[in-house]
Amino acid sequence: KNQVEQSPQSLIILEGKNCTLQCNYTVSPFSNLRWYKQDTGRGPVSLTIMTFSENTKSNGRYTATLDADTKQSSLHITASQLSDSASYICVVRNDYKLSFGAGTTVTVRA
Amino acid sequence: EAQVTQNPRYLITVTGKKLTVTCSQNMNHEYMSWYRQDPGLGLRQIYYSMNVEVTDKGDVPEGYKVSRKEKRNFPLILESPSPNQTSLYFCASSPRAGLRNEQFFGPGTRLTVL
Repeated sequence: KNQVEQSPQSLIILEGKNCTLQCNYTVSPFSNLRWYKQDTGRGPVSLTIMTFSENTKSNGRYTATLDADTKQSSLHITASQLSDSASYICVVRNDYKLSFGAGTTVTVRA
Repeated sequence: EAQVTQNPRYLITVTGKKLTVTCSQNMNHEYMSWYRQDPGLGLRQIYYSMNVEVTDKGDVPEGYKVSRKEKRNFPLILESPSPNQTSLYFCASSPRAGLRNEQFFGPGTRLTVL
């Protein structure tokens, strides 16, 4: 069964600090992995997409990594801001289907 | 502005009363999809459509219907809603169903079935 597990379920960090979110998957065969940011009351918005051959991709203060051998991805947030408070969803695609993680809720406090 | 719109944004109804949630996109996208989001479960696909007049079941289609008569619209129909359909619903679209195509999500519809 294709599964995507994210950890931690939630975390609280102080403004300006860094944090790392984890995504482990069993999806096979692997096509790509995308991280979405979902603000409260809004739909998810794509942050990055990574394919098998890419192991790091950045989007501003967000950096995603992918280890296709161990089927793990991480999303690192650098110098967090209050606007980073959101849920972050890992989505893994095989040839024909998307599998969604349950998300990690990040709260940034001043 | 390129966007996916959903209506209504909030809806409280009673068991058995038929309802429709509309979804419209102005990006000329071929692929559209409906998801429900429940705490701890993440997004689960209900139905999707590869193009006009082409629809197929996702992971949790029971109790839902869809239609795709026009490219821009993809309504979600609950013929006889039940309390277990209380959820947050998202419509999404992408240019095609291709492997790298990003899905653009609507703002969500929060449905409560009493």
